[in-house]
Amino acid sequence: AQSVTQLDSQVPVFEEAPVELRCNYSSSVSVYLFWYVQYPNQGLQLLLKYLSGSTLVESINGFEAEFNKSQTSFHLRKPSVHISDTAEYFCAVSAGAAGNKLTFGGGTRVLVKP
Amino acid sequence: NAGVTQTPKFRILKIGQSMTLQCAQDMNHNYMYWYRQDPGMGLKLIYYSVGAGITDKGEVPNGYNVSRSTTEDFPLRLELAAPSQTSVYFCASSYSGGNSGNTIYFGEGSWLTVV
Repeated sequence: AQSVTQLDSQVPVFEEAPVELRCNYSSSVSVYLFWYVQYPNQGLQLLLKYLSGSTLVESINGFEAEFNKSQTSFHLRKPSVHISDTAEYFCAVSAGAAGNKLTFGGGTRVLVKP
Repeated sequence: NAGVTQTPKFRILKIGQSMTLQCAQDMNHNYMYWYRQDPGMGLKLIYYSVGAGITDKGEVPNGYNVSRSTTEDFPLRLELAAPSQTSVYFCASSYSGGNSGNTIYFGEGSWLTVV
């Protein structure tokens, strides 16, 4: 079975400052890794995902995440946040044997302050 | 595009009552899922389905039932509601051609309170 740990439950950050959200996973098989974002009172939306190839993946709105197999991590970063990035962010893993089912971390709430 | 549609959005139930959360998707996805979201716990998989007529338990299936008579619909039934079932419920769907890491699309959630 796989598991996901998001090390920070809340991250306050000032507008235009960088942010890093930490995610570690455990799995005995190869995994696919995802970051989802949930804006207030909405469902989850895919932000980015790692399936294979380059270990650095980017989203269209400036986020990036790097897959580190040796450290079993998939941290999410953005060099300069906006007020509109205020949301909850979920790291998730899908392991080969589990098909397409996702195992989620507990979430990190990002609050961007002006 | 409708995507994944859930109803109702909000519901208050009394202990012991039953209800069905409806879910429909118009993307012709073969996989569908029900998750519940509790504060600080992320999302937990309740049930999933890999196609019409096929369902299976997830991490937290107790107190719930599902059916999948069509590709489009995947209702979740709560029998004998309990306060522990107070949560936000998300239906989701994906196309899966094997273990390809396809994107899962979520509905907007159903807020359920059991009192």
